[in-house]
Amino acid sequence: NAGVTQTPKFRILKIGQSMTLQCTQDMNHNYMYWYRQDPGMGLKLIYYSVGAGITDKGEVPNGYNVSRSTTEDFPLRLELAAPSQTSVYFCASSHGTGGSLGQPQHFGDGTRLSIL
Amino acid sequence: GQQLNQSPQSMFIQEGEDVSMNCTSSSIFNTWLWYKQEPGEGPVLLIALYKAGELTSNGRLTAQFGITRKDSFLNISASIPSDVGIYFCAGPYSGGGADGLTFGKGTHLIIQP
Repeated sequence: NAGVTQTPKFRILKIGQSMTLQCTQDMNHNYMYWYRQDPGMGLKLIYYSVGAGITDKGEVPNGYNVSRSTTEDFPLRLELAAPSQTSVYFCASSHGTGGSLGQPQHFGDGTRLSIL
Repeated sequence: GQQLNQSPQSMFIQEGEDVSMNCTSSSIFNTWLWYKQEPGEGPVLLIALYKAGELTSNGRLTAQFGITRKDSFLNISASIPSDVGIYFCAGPYSGGGADGLTFGKGTHLIIQP
């Protein structure tokens, strides 16, 4: 029972570098999400996808890009890393919409990213 | 935008004590979710509430969906060491039509031996 798998678990980047955070789920969920969690704060929605080929912005999308070519995978890309993007990033998936129906989301264990 | 205010921010309790925490919203929610996060892990769903006034239990945990639909409560009875963690309330995010959840800042539960 893998659920939602995120890689890498930890990463240190230099300012201006780029990287892709990987997320894959094996529950055949249509809905997938990316959140960031800053110290002492709750999670904030970055991007989400309601199915393969469809993505949309969340609350804090600036500086990030996503793609959804398959149901299973939802990578998050940072093009020009900035210190403000130092955070813990969580990927999640759900069977139905987390928005209007508030369907419970299943989370990965996170990627801890530091940008120096 | 939406704001979820959780209180207290942290709780220091003795093993065996009961715990109460709450969450209030600036807007009406149709769903309330309670998650627990342990160090180094992602949030795990504890209880989901879908109707105003609903009271739902999961073992020693009980959560209620407030009648005003702007608040929710989580109680833990007879706390044990494995209850340590951060408890988040969450509800549907409604900013600009986006899907997903909005989270409170969490209540950090610490159990003293």
